[in-house]
Amino acid sequence: SQKIEQNSEALNIQEGKTATLTCNYTNYSPAYLQWYRQDPGRGPVFLLLIRENEKEKRKERLKVTFDTTLKQSLFHITASQPADSATYLCALDMMDTDKLIFGTGTRLQVFP
Amino acid sequence: AAGVIQSPRHLIKEKRETATLKCYPIPRHDTVYWYQQGPGQDPQFLISFYEKMQSDKGSIPDRFSAQQFSDYHSELNMSSLELGDSALYFCASSKDPGLAGGPSSYNEQFFGPGTRLTVL
Repeated sequence: SQKIEQNSEALNIQEGKTATLTCNYTNYSPAYLQWYRQDPGRGPVFLLLIRENEKEKRKERLKVTFDTTLKQSLFHITASQPADSATYLCALDMMDTDKLIFGTGTRLQVFP
Repeated sequence: AAGVIQSPRHLIKEKRETATLKCYPIPRHDTVYWYQQGPGQDPQFLISFYEKMQSDKGSIPDRFSAQQFSDYHSELNMSSLELGDSALYFCASSKDPGLAGGPSSYNEQFFGPGTRLTVL
């Protein structure tokens, strides 16, 4: 069956540390993988997109890796801040469809 | 910068009633998507439109219908509401980056603030 799984538990880390979130998928072949941030009661906000032929993408304190052999993406936030606390969603972007297929989300809590 | 606008932001309906949710995409965005997000769940794709034509369909119940109008705004019509329809409904928009032949698979989506529908 097709599924997308993210860290099952909430992730709690101390301010200044690096947060690493995982996204694993099975029985999909995405052309792209996107990461979104969602705050409670609000819509997801796009953060980064990585293509299937890219290994790594960076944007300020964010870094995404994409391993199509392992069917896994890692999302890193370096020098984390309390303001980074939110739910982070990975989303698969398939070649033959417009829709995004979202993962289960990981709730990140950064403590001062 | 202009964002996706959704209205209403909150809606309370009784079972078996109908509801209409509206979405105004970012100017010059040609694709609109609708997602449903239940409490503690990830967004589930319902339906999308490109240039006013339905472009993809997900897990949208037959009781729901949607369309995109000539000004690119979209409406999601929900009839015979059930308790399980209570959720956040997000609209998102994106713009074809210019590839010929229709929607691109590179679709960074810009989400609206959502409509919270409560069915009593």
